[in-house]
Amino acid sequence: DTGVSQNPRHKITKRGQNVTFRCDPISEHNRLYWYRQTLGQGPEFLTYFQNEAQLEKSRLLSDRFSAERPKGSFSTLEIQRTEQGDSAMYLCASSLAPTGANVLTFGAGSRLTVL
Amino acid sequence: KQEVTQIPAALSVPEGENLVLNCSFTDSAIYNLQWFRQDPGKGLTSLLLIQSSQREQTSGRLNASLDKSSGRSTLYIAASQPGDSATYLCAARGANSKLTFGKGITLSVRP
Repeated sequence: DTGVSQNPRHKITKRGQNVTFRCDPISEHNRLYWYRQTLGQGPEFLTYFQNEAQLEKSRLLSDRFSAERPKGSFSTLEIQRTEQGDSAMYLCASSLAPTGANVLTFGAGSRLTVL
Repeated sequence: KQEVTQIPAALSVPEGENLVLNCSFTDSAIYNLQWFRQDPGKGLTSLLLIQSSQREQTSGRLNASLDKSSGRSTLYIAASQPGDSATYLCAARGANSKLTFGKGITLSVRP
């Protein structure tokens, strides 16, 4: 297993377009998280799944954002009608829970640039 | 609501110096605290994780400590090298499994 994989690594789009990011977690991990990081800031929590169930969503996740994890394996994060303020690095992480440590392993991220 | 603070935002040191990076958090009811490294434009690499019941963890030249009662953690880097130049983020994990991150400290180690 090569860790958490995210695609595409970089996406440039025009304002108003839709974009979708994919995350493939570590295969035995049942939890999957999405975070967003803007320049000079720490990552901010967006949402997380346990298996296919979306258990929590941040207020940052406006109605233009939707995340799915249909079979409890990979996840997609879709942003509709992108705005310049959506430009950020979108980070995915996975973990095995419940365990004592529940250590999150992050992917390399998907960078979104909205022109 | 948990808030995590890392001060200063940037630090520049000469090679070979021992240094301490600070992290403070407002809610002491944490499950663990994790230190990450982030290179420019890259994702996060986990360095050390300290459980709430532990006081410190060590890995090579890195040592992280945790004082829950005072809401502080430190990352000690011994004999710093230019390759240590990166942004270091700390993150506190709450009961809901979410990580709350600080803004990070950008470290530059001068040859």
